[in-house]
Parts: sequence; C-alpha cells; structure tokens
Amino acid sequence: KAGVTQTPRYLIKTRGQQVTLSCSPISGHRSVSWYQQTPGQGLQFLFEYFSETQRNKGNFPGRFSGRQFSNSRSEMNVSTLELGDSALYLCASSLGGQGTGANVLTFGAGSRLTVL
Amino acid sequence: DAKTTQPNSMESNEEEPVHLPCNHSTISGTDYIHWYRQLPSQGPEYVIHGLTSNVNNRMASLAIAEDRKSSTLILHRATLRDAAVYYCILLFMNRDDKIIFGKGTRLHILP
Repeated sequence: KAGVTQTPRYLIKTRGQQVTLSCSPISGHRSVSWYQQTPGQGLQFLFEYFSETQRNKGNFPGRFSGRQFSNSRSEMNVSTLELGDSALYLCASSLGGQGTGANVLTFGAGSRLTVL
Repeated sequence: DAKTTQPNSMESNEEEPVHLPCNHSTISGTDYIHWYRQLPSQGPEYVIHGLTSNVNNRMASLAIAEDRKSSTLILHRATLRDAAVYYCILLFMNRDDKIIFGKGTRLHILP
C-alpha cells in the first residue's frame, strides 16, 4: 500500500512569506502528527490531528498552524517566515493517534524548507 | 512530559551485535516503548515497540528492563545499512501528550 506522501519535497521562500505543506496519510490512518527537524534541535513535535481535531500542540509560536480534512489529509502552514524556520518538516500517520500507544508511526520523507 | 535519554553516538563493527541503550525513568505503566531509526536524507522508520515483555521481529530485538525504566535495542548482526540515528520514544495510552524525540543515538558501523 502507498506510504505517507508529503508535498512539496523541497521549497525555497523568503522572510515574511508564508508556506503550506501537505501530508497524505496511509489509507485508513486517522492520526497525523507534524515535526520540525533541525540540526541543532533535532526532531520537535509540532502538533497532532485526529479526526479533524487538534489533539495536542508542541511549543511553537502561533505562526505554525495546521488542519486536517475529512479524508485525513493534513496541511500545516507557517506564516511570516523567519530564517530560523528553515528545516525539514516531517509528518507521520498512525491508526489511532498517540492516545493509543501501540500504534506505529509511519513517517513521510519530509518537506525541506529553506528560508532566505 | 516523559523523556528518554540515549548516548549521542555509538560505534560497532560490521557483522557484530549492537546494543543500543535507552533510559526512560519517568515511564508510566501504560506507555509503550518505540524505536525508530532515520537513515540519511529519509524520514524516520519504525523498528520495534513493546510494553513489558521482550520483543523480536525481523529487524531487531527489544529487551525491556523489569522495572521498565530502561530498554535496549539489539541489532543481532550489524550491516553498513544499519548506520543511522536511532530514536527511542514513549507513546502513550489514555493520555494526550506530546511525542518527545530526544537527539537519538548516531550509530556508526565500521567495515
């Protein structure tokens, strides 16, 4: 079956712009979580969506937002981009969300954002 | 938030077993222990997970301490393709919480 698909894979933006990243989960998975990965901070949790509802949010400013659609596809948006937002953005899908600890996370390949 | 602690890096010779440790002293009784690895230029991939008992699959084995405050990922015969960053994380039952990845352990395999 198809894996987790993230688009676009690479993008370059300038400071002050906004960006939208997309994540299509594995069919049947209802949870999508998002992460930011940088060399200095490692993998950091952004937020998780389950059945179109945000279940939890990491310690990121309000410029980072997301949503989930009825088909479980998810988008994240970063407004007013800063240089420090340059990172690999990863999403992961799972069957039941992080409230069900046995469910395995399946990650996409990520979207690499460069902010100039 | 529950956290895990792992060594920054480890080295092993090819075709030898590798034991990757993880401490999770604040684990609660319903937390599952998961291991993922990230190869260069890829997203993390699932390796193994468990709750209380030791687990085996085709990729690795997971040994969980009796008090569950630590665990060890065992690669029985390391190959060069096992060179990656290995993350030990806790996923929760019955509790909404953030998923916390540490910095992981960068595993170097020597030919």
